Amino acid sequence: GAVVSQHPSRVICKSGTSVKIECRSLDFQATTMFWYRQFPKQSLMLMATSNEGSKATYEQGVEKDKFLINHASLTLSTLTVTSAHPEDSSFYICSARIVGQTNYGYTFGSGTRLTVV
Amino acid sequence: RKEVEQDPGPFNVPEGATVAFNCTYSNSASQSFFWYRQDCRKEPKLLMSVYSSGNEDGRFTAQLNRASQYISLLIRDSKLSDSATYLCVVGGGGNKLTFGTGTQLKVEL
Repeated sequence: GAVVSQHPSRVICKSGTSVKIECRSLDFQATTMFWYRQFPKQSLMLMATSNEGSKATYEQGVEKDKFLINHASLTLSTLTVTSAHPEDSSFYICSARIVGQTNYGYTFGSGTRLTVV
Repeated sequence: RKEVEQDPGPFNVPEGATVAFNCTYSNSASQSFFWYRQDCRKEPKLLMSVYSSGNEDGRFTAQLNRASQYISLLIRDSKLSDSATYLCVVGGGGNKLTFGTGTQLKVEL
């Protein structure tokens, strides 16, 4: 089946540094990738929608200058957390819709657990 | 009011029991409905899509009531491996998914 590969799976970084998270669609083309964040015991919250070849669309309250998204090809989208702070520590997950599936199937990356110290 | 509401649980049930989860959503224009399963510290995985006619997949049955904006999931003959958090997910326009906070299920011996 369709697979989205996400890495790193876990990263610990110092406050003030930047972290890049990559998501690749391995056997399909993802024109749109979704980036979510999940804090402990909370639901996944959509941060932004990444569109290949154009600017990402950010949800209300998400700082686009802090969470940089690049979707330069049909198989790769990246999220860079800039100047990370401890409150950015969270579980970040990407997702892509599998075009052509009648049940609007979405496949998720395995997630990145970010800890900012 | 949250867009998608679920009872967080936990639901502690013995192996073999039948358990039902409910979910309500606020946006009447919602177009697609799903149940996802999320294991601890892992990504969500699609359990099943939900249709107005109801659908069944083995021990799992999902129902959608558009008039009441209500979605349900029934698990029969619970297994230990069913222990997880079950996420009610609603899709709107533009491929946007809205997740509930999830209902935690613990199946015990």
